[in-house]
Amino acid sequence: KNQVEQSPQSLIILEGKNCTLQCNYTVSPFSNLRWYKQDTGRGPVSLTIMTFSENTKSNGRYTATLDADTKQSSLHITASQLSDSASYICVVSAKGNDYKLSFGAGTTVTVRA
Amino acid sequence: NAGVTQTPKFQVLKTGQSMTLQCAQDMNHEYMSWYRQDPGMGLRLIHYSVGAGITDQGEVPNGYNVSRSTTEDFPLRLLSAAPSQTSVYFCASSRGLAGGGYNEQFFGPGTRLTVL
Repeated sequence: KNQVEQSPQSLIILEGKNCTLQCNYTVSPFSNLRWYKQDTGRGPVSLTIMTFSENTKSNGRYTATLDADTKQSSLHITASQLSDSASYICVVSAKGNDYKLSFGAGTTVTVRA
Repeated sequence: NAGVTQTPKFQVLKTGQSMTLQCAQDMNHEYMSWYRQDPGMGLRLIHYSVGAGITDQGEVPNGYNVSRSTTEDFPLRLLSAAPSQTSVYFCASSRGLAGGGYNEQFFGPGTRLTVL
């Protein structure tokens, strides 16, 4: 069973609008949570990395939040642009000798003009 | 810096054929790994290496071999290709253990493999 669940699976938004992606996880013990952006035909690129002590982190128009108590994270995209069309992947690391990574299946965002 | 490079970008194999997917990084990273990405699923770890001469199995290692003779290169070998190995393969590198602290993992552009 996947320990990282993302929702929605996909969404379509108009250029200039905001959207929020969700990530719920059961990974334990928790080390950190990462959000990646993956353009079609490309490898994932890191957006943010948050440890348990951080509850928000921004990277330009991308803002990630983390609630370690409820094991939830969100990624908010502000004033979307056509270039934001991509898959967004939530990744959670488990604390331990190898810091095992668990990957979500991703949310596909399509921004339309 | 080129970052993480992978070759080839596309490959079609017949069942039973063997091949090697190439991966190289120029960031002097100790930690390298191979993932496969299938539709509707998260990336799954195949093999990883914590340094030259040291490799270990990930979540889905069957049918794949790796070696790490240099810091820069981490090839993935398919011994006898099967249709179940049709996937997109990504190589990644990081300065330390990929999931530890703020160690950022850098991914290559991927190899799209089809096994007929």
